[in-house]
Amino acid sequence: GAGVSQSPSNKVTEKGKDVELRCDPISGHTALYWYRQSLGQGLEFLIYFQGNSAPDKSGLPSDRFSAERTGGSVSTLTIQRTQQEDSAVYLCASSLVGDGSQHFGDGTRLSIL
Amino acid sequence: AQRVTQPEKLLSVFKGAPVELKCNYSYSGSPELFWYVQYSRQRLQLLLRHISRESIKGFTADLNKGETSFHLKKPFAQEEDSAMYYCALSGNQGGKLIFGQGTELSVKP
Repeated sequence: GAGVSQSPSNKVTEKGKDVELRCDPISGHTALYWYRQSLGQGLEFLIYFQGNSAPDKSGLPSDRFSAERTGGSVSTLTIQRTQQEDSAVYLCASSLVGDGSQHFGDGTRLSIL
Repeated sequence: AQRVTQPEKLLSVFKGAPVELKCNYSYSGSPELFWYVQYSRQRLQLLLRHISRESIKGFTADLNKGETSFHLKKPFAQEEDSAMYYCALSGNQGGKLIFGQGTELSVKP
């Protein structure tokens, strides 16, 4: 399909484990965003990639969170030493240019036991 | 501080009634405002943006800078409008969105 693709759709892991979440943006979209959707916190911005510029990491909640975008396309969000409060739906979005008109994926539902 | 406020968690109306979903924002500068919608079991999608000044699925929203509001309106609600609606803003920082908490709209037959 032509939309934003995220994998896995669901991830259950034990506290303390590391997890990797993947996002395939729409082809040709230069901007890629990660958001988190959790009960009580709503939708929160995490990190933003635009072309070859340094990413905007201002929304990452702790240094356990990191993200990469390889070749200007696929992105991976990594959470190290997961905690129960990391349980949430992690959403990826992309846009043709860096603006607020964004196309979202279905998200990855992360559950930390 | 940058903030988007949607005061209603749940709004319930009957089919054919007018609907208004409220959104207020706080931002120092000139933000761009958006409404996103998430229908049941579907992904979040853009409904409309203030610079387009379009009507999408019968919905309109006008940016009121004096009242810092961007309320979403539809004169006659339909059952298929039932969904979660999020107001969001982006500033001059590359398009990252700041979302409100969302309003669940329920349109009863």
